[in-house]
Amino acid sequence: QVQLQESGPGLVKPSQTLSLTCTVSGGSISSGSYYWSWIRQPAGKGLEWIGRIYTSGSTNYNPSLKSRVTISVDTSKNQFSLKLSSVTAADTAVYYCARAPLVPAAPFDYWGQGTLVTVSS
Amino acid sequence: DIQMTQSPSSLSASVGDRVTITCRASQSISSYLNWYQQKPGKAPKLLIYAASSLQSGVPSRFSGSGSGTEFTLTISSLQPEDFATYYCQQSYSTPPITFGQGTRLEIK
Repeated sequence: QVQLQESGPGLVKPSQTLSLTCTVSGGSISSGSYYWSWIRQPAGKGLEWIGRIYTSGSTNYNPSLKSRVTISVDTSKNQFSLKLSSVTAADTAVYYCARAPLVPAAPFDYWGQGTLVTVSS
Repeated sequence: DIQMTQSPSSLSASVGDRVTITCRASQSISSYLNWYQQKPGKAPKLLIYAASSLQSGVPSRFSGSGSGTEFTLTISSLQPEDFATYYCQQSYSTPPITFGQGTRLEIK
């Protein structure tokens, strides 16, 4: 059974960089058959896709965040990571990592439990 | 970006009711439409993919239909565990992948 688990600081100061890691277990991130995404959800609001990475290292980002986002993959650790720079209070949210198979519609079939990141001084 | 609009935004229904939620795309997305259920404090759960395919392990009372710009999620007979928020999501034209704003299904 595939499992995803987010980890990282729960509190980040304004203007600093938010860094999160997603550890994948029960399957290899190197299998080549999946995209690996980050998605966030502010309290009481909807879901916002941040970006994704393929095992080759190719990435796609949400244009609304592209200038501040970097997603990377470490196949040796079966992890992928998110960095979001110059954060503000508007970046306070629950952050999820998720997997999408390389099929038409590419649904997010496995999700991490989510981790709350608060941006505050 | 492709905008996804769900209706209604909230809905009250009773156990046993048949419920339909609509999702409209701002342009054609073929059948590249997925539906998720989210309960408070939990990650979203995939229900339907590619507009009408039931995800493994999801009860058959859930069904999806549509193509192009209009899609529906139907719950044939509401169960107590179905009260949650539902989201549609398109992956036709990316980036970005976009979600609907959500439909909150509440107990009447």
